[in-house]
Amino acid sequence: AQRVTQPEKLLSVFKGAPVELKCNYSYSGSPELFWYVQYSRQRLQLLLRHISRESIKGFTADLNKGETSFHLKKPFAQEEDSAMYYCALSGNNDMRFGAGTRLTVKP
Amino acid sequence: EAGVAQSPRYKIIEKRQSVAFWCNPISGHATLYWYQQILGQGPKLLIQFQNNGVVDDSQLPKDRFSAERLKGVDSTLKIQPAKLEDSAVYLCASSLSGGRGGNTIYFGEGSWLTVV
Repeated sequence: AQRVTQPEKLLSVFKGAPVELKCNYSYSGSPELFWYVQYSRQRLQLLLRHISRESIKGFTADLNKGETSFHLKKPFAQEEDSAMYYCALSGNNDMRFGAGTRLTVKP
Repeated sequence: EAGVAQSPRYKIIEKRQSVAFWCNPISGHATLYWYQQILGQGPKLLIQFQNNGVVDDSQLPKDRFSAERLKGVDSTLKIQPAKLEDSAVYLCASSLSGGRGGNTIYFGEGSWLTVV
């Protein structure tokens, strides 16, 4: 079965603090993992994907196959990072999403 | 580049009525998805098309939901008859070819359905 779990519905940090949004997955094959973000009044959009090993807006995520995790991290959170974040897994050519974490960055 | 277009943006219907949503994907995108997002939950895949063929509809409640993509471009999602629990945002998305291989999935703004 293909499943994505985001254990935190809400996460609140102060500006400048580090932030980590957790994502765990279950999939029997070789997964592709993504993070999508939805800012207020905007459509859902891709933030980053694990195969690109990229840093977008200061965010990084490392695929840990041993722990089946793909946590999203940023060393210094900014107020504009406040949004809904969804972890997603592409297994058999489809895309399944976690329930999402609402990140609030306080001034 | 034009994004994924959806209509209507908002719809309120009574239970047992029917509703249809329309989606126009990004030009050239072979794969089209319909997701249902209930308040407080992540998007749930209802159906995925590759051109005009269905790739995955395992989570589509086929007794009341139907979807088609006759010419491999636009798609419609229909609910008949609607139930209260169908109240959700219906997201259409498209990608060049599936989600694997790093293909980015692009989402529309969504169609908000309220069933009363």
